[in-house]
Amino acid sequence: GDSVTQMEGPVTLSEEAFLTINCTYTATGYPSLFWYVQYPGEGLQLLLKATKADDKGSNKGFEATYRKETTSFHLEKGSVQVSDSAVYFCALRQGNNRLAFGKGNQVVVIP
Amino acid sequence: NAGVTQTPKFQVLKTGQSMTLQCAQDMNHEYMSWYRQDPGMGLRLIHYSVGAGITDQGEVPNGYNVSRSTTEDFPLRLLSAAPSQTSVYFCASSTPGQGTETQYFGPGTRLLVL
Repeated sequence: GDSVTQMEGPVTLSEEAFLTINCTYTATGYPSLFWYVQYPGEGLQLLLKATKADDKGSNKGFEATYRKETTSFHLEKGSVQVSDSAVYFCALRQGNNRLAFGKGNQVVVIP
Repeated sequence: NAGVTQTPKFQVLKTGQSMTLQCAQDMNHEYMSWYRQDPGMGLRLIHYSVGAGITDQGEVPNGYNVSRSTTEDFPLRLLSAAPSQTSVYFCASSTPGQGTETQYFGPGTRLLVL
C-alpha cells in the first residue's frame, strides 16, 4: 500500500541555518504530495503541496520539489528562524482525499 | 467562518467508559476524516466520510464508530475506552477534485484513558 517515509529523529539547528527534511514515498501512480506543519499545541496546517511530477511547492521560504525518479519530496528552507520550530509532516493523497502521513520530524531552531 | 471545530479540547476517561468527540465544519466540505496522532507514529486515519450518510473505515478503525447525518458534523464515538486509545484526535475536512484536495484540520482533542 501507499506509504511515506521521513528521516528519523528530531532536527536541531541554529537560527539562519539551512534546513532539509527528507521524505520519500511509495505509491501507485503519481499522487499529490504535501507538507503539513504543526506548531506547539495546534492542529496541522498545510505548508505547501505539489500535484504532479516536477512541480515545486513553496510557501514562507520553504520549498519542495516532486521528484518521481527518486520518489521524493524533500523539504528545504535556506535560513530558518526560531518561529519555524514545529513538527513537519510529509503526506500523500489517496483516494477520497485520504492522507497517508509520514511519522513527522520535530524541528528545533536555537537562537 | 470558524473552519473546523472540535470539542472537547481535553478529556479524561476511565477504562470502559464511552464518549463522543465532536467535529463540525462550516465550509460545506463533502469529505471529512478522523485521524489519531501518537508519538513516533505520525497521523493515522480512523474513519472517513465522502458525504452525508456515507462512511468508511480507515487504517485503525477498531473501537471507534462514526456517523454522518449532516454535511457539517462528523462525530467520533468511543464505545468502551481503552488505555490504547489515549491519543490526540484530529478531525479534517476537504472538497473533492484535483487541486482542491487540501485538508483543513481542527485544533484537536487530547484524550487520556486511565
